[in-house]
Amino acid sequence: KAGVTQTPRYLIKTRGQQVTLSCSPISGHRSVSWYQQTPGQGLQFLFEYFSETQRNKGNFPGRFSGRQFSNSRSEMNVSTLELGDSALYLCASSLDQGRQETQYFGPGTRLLVL
Amino acid sequence: AQSVTQLGSHVSVSEGALVLLRCNYSSSVPPYLFWYVQYPNQGLQLLLKYTSAATLVKGINGFEAEFKKSETSFHLTKPSAHMSDAAEYFCAVNDQAGTALIFGKGTTLSVSS
Repeated sequence: KAGVTQTPRYLIKTRGQQVTLSCSPISGHRSVSWYQQTPGQGLQFLFEYFSETQRNKGNFPGRFSGRQFSNSRSEMNVSTLELGDSALYLCASSLDQGRQETQYFGPGTRLLVL
Repeated sequence: AQSVTQLGSHVSVSEGALVLLRCNYSSSVPPYLFWYVQYPNQGLQLLLKYTSAATLVKGINGFEAEFKKSETSFHLTKPSAHMSDAAEYFCAVNDQAGTALIFGKGTTLSVSS
């Protein structure tokens, strides 16, 4: 079974632009979560979607948004990019909801904001 | 609220030596705990998880972890390090709703020959 895929893998943007990242979960998985990884702040939770509904959101400004489609694919959008948004953005999928569920991670999208 | 503390941002061992990576957690509900590994320029790979079925959890690549409620710990061990174990390791706990992982700051493991 194919793993979690993320596109694009690398991205360079300038301040003020917006960006959209895509994530395709493992087939059959209905939950998709997004995380931001930076050297300073480590891994931080952005948001989680299940059956097209956002169930949880981390402590990030409203410039960060996401959505999930009926086929469970997910996108996240960052508007008005800032230098501090440079990070590795990781998508993870899990089969179902529940605290015992394992999240499987994709390879990430590395975003550089200049 | 849930939190995770990983003691030691960098651990160095010799090939063949014991690997011990420390993780302490705080949780207001019975925790579900995870260890992930990240190789350079890659995503996170699950090593093992604790879901209350057994306190000693065996994972992939010879790693195991023991859940100790009295010490609020979930340390990761491997009897004999291999060069290929060099990577960054993250301990994580599930939030109360089960919709987010809360990660520690990570421990970089170096293995020398």
